[in-house]
Amino acid sequence: AQTVTQSQPEMSVQEAETVTLSCTYDTSENNYYLFWYKQPPSRQMILVIRQEAYKQQNATENRFSVNFQKAAKSFSLKISDSQLGDTAMYFCAFTTVTYGNKLVFGAGTILRVKS
Amino acid sequence: EPEVTQTPSHQVTQMGQEVILRCVPISNHLYFYWYRQILGQKVEFLVSFYNNEISEKSEIFDDQFSVERPDGSNFTLKIRSTKLEDSAMYFCARNSGGYTDTQYFGPGTRLTVL
Repeated sequence: AQTVTQSQPEMSVQEAETVTLSCTYDTSENNYYLFWYKQPPSRQMILVIRQEAYKQQNATENRFSVNFQKAAKSFSLKISDSQLGDTAMYFCAFTTVTYGNKLVFGAGTILRVKS
Repeated sequence: EPEVTQTPSHQVTQMGQEVILRCVPISNHLYFYWYRQILGQKVEFLVSFYNNEISEKSEIFDDQFSVERPDGSNFTLKIRSTKLEDSAMYFCARNSGGYTDTQYFGPGTRLTVL
């Protein structure tokens, strides 16, 4: 079974500081895709970043970057220079071609950015 | 600008009633998905739809659920006889291109069953 685990139910960070959200996954596949989605209070699901498993280079999008450790099946999200607007629920998600491309989500981490 | 739009944004219904949730893609995509998020819980896959046919469905997607694309544009999720436990956010998502490309979500429909 494909599973995604987010072990931090809640995190908080001071504005302008850096925070890392953890995610681990379990799969026997070799070719898969990992995502982080942000869900603000509006409950919209917003893509933050994407990583292809075959790429060794960690993905980055402005202040957001990932630490992808394939052997450890770990996919953490680092948010630099945290802003108040980053306050949201963050979901780690996973998909594979052989798994029908449906997204499997973790339970989420609530991130609160404090001023 | 959302990748897809969903209507209504909020639907309140009585238990046992039928509801239809709609998803309208901005551009012409082939792959669509419905997900459900019960309040405070994780997002769960319901069904995927490719080229006007169901390609996969989860065990949640039982006989009370159906999907269709009646006019080649709108993509609907129908719940025939709603239950209290159907209260949730329902998200439509579309694929950005190829089968394994990123899924972009609509704003969701909040369904409340009384």
